[in-house]
Amino acid sequence: GAVVSQHPSRVICKSGTSVKIECRSLDFQATTMFWYRQFPKQSLMLMATSNEGSKATYEQGVEKDKFLINHASLTLSTLTVTSAHPEDSSFYICSATKGEDQAYEQYFGPGTRLTVT
Amino acid sequence: GQNIDQPTEMTATEGAIVQINCTYQTSGFNGLFWYQQHAGEAPTFLSYNVLDGLEEKGRFSSFLSRSKGYSYLLLKELQMKDSASYLCAAMDSNYQLIWGAGTKLIIKP
Repeated sequence: GAVVSQHPSRVICKSGTSVKIECRSLDFQATTMFWYRQFPKQSLMLMATSNEGSKATYEQGVEKDKFLINHASLTLSTLTVTSAHPEDSSFYICSATKGEDQAYEQYFGPGTRLTVT
Repeated sequence: GQNIDQPTEMTATEGAIVQINCTYQTSGFNGLFWYQQHAGEAPTFLSYNVLDGLEEKGRFSSFLSRSKGYSYLLLKELQMKDSASYLCAAMDSNYQLIWGAGTKLIIKP
């Protein structure tokens, strides 16, 4: 199998606070994990790629100091949205690949719906 | 630049066949993926093509023509549960997925 979990599934926070989202590969070791953001009726937008034990690679336009990514182990990556604003409200999805070669199928977590009030 | 084009929305009848087209332009090419995404849920993998031709997997088939930068997803014997968005994504030379905006498929009884 290849199951990826995310926690929490939904979170509501106040503007200015920080929120941490966890992404776990439950039955495999994920060398590479990806973090996406998806706004309603839009495609997935890759935010960053993270490899275990190294710094994440952020896509152009994504603020690395605002979206902190930590890939502490082969089964866990976390995304922390710092000083959240209402415009950060979105559906955040992580995915993971099984092998070192990134040309593998990405297994997606169920997503986290973030609402910033 | 890199670009993926697919229709925004399609409608089909239960039991029928529908073909969802996708054209892509990427810097290098390492394969074409199709994912299904139900509203409010994460995408689930349907198919991966890296060589030209048709790959059949049950009711779903996917076709690729690398020379034309073209792929399609063919869904047969449509069921109501097939109502979803279908995302086309091409992998570029850096193994990064370039995503289309998705095609919303509406199935009518």
